[in-house]
Amino acid sequence: GAVVSQHPSRVICKSGTSVKIECRSLDFQATTMFWYRQFPKKSLMLMATSNEGSKATYEQGVEKDKFLINHASLTLSTLTVTSAHPEDSSFYICSASPGTGGPGEKLFFGSGTQLSVL
Amino acid sequence: RKEVEQDPGPFNVPEGATVAFNCTYSNSASQSFFWYRQDCRKEPKLLMSVYSSGNEDGRFTAQLNRASQYISLLIRDSKLSDSATYLCAVQEGGGADGLTFGKGTHLIIQP
Repeated sequence: GAVVSQHPSRVICKSGTSVKIECRSLDFQATTMFWYRQFPKKSLMLMATSNEGSKATYEQGVEKDKFLINHASLTLSTLTVTSAHPEDSSFYICSASPGTGGPGEKLFFGSGTQLSVL
Repeated sequence: RKEVEQDPGPFNVPEGATVAFNCTYSNSASQSFFWYRQDCRKEPKLLMSVYSSGNEDGRFTAQLNRASQYISLLIRDSKLSDSATYLCAVQEGGGADGLTFGKGTHLIIQP
């Protein structure tokens, strides 16, 4: 299947710092990428839809000024957690589809980033 | 509001047994349905798509019931390696829409 690469896999940072997470589609172009967050023993929750060349679409309750998304090319989307706080500690994961947006298209996931804010 | 509900378990099942999970979804406009497997602190991996006609992949069988708005996953002859969390996922439209996940069902296969 298609390969989505996500870095870093784990990051520990101090409260108040910013953290950037990269998501790359290695063998396909992705017009759309998705960012999810998963707290322990909870479901993956869609945070935002990243669209190449335009602004991201954020889900209700997700602060766009705190979670900055940049999708500057068809193979790279970045999520920056600004001024991170302990409550932002979570598993962040991106996904992308190599398709054209039709029904039933499979989404492929990056390996995730475990963020721990001290 | 989009909701996908699953029994979180855990399901403790002896090796070799058959186990089934259900998942209900609230959005009747949903078009695509999937089962994912997630191991601890790993990314979800697609197990199978779910079609109205039902589909089978080896020991795994998935069914979709649009009228009752639920999907199911059946695992036959369970293996120790099947121990994981199984997430159902629903997509409203096509690949341009994100997935809505259930909280997952934790399966433990016991020797």
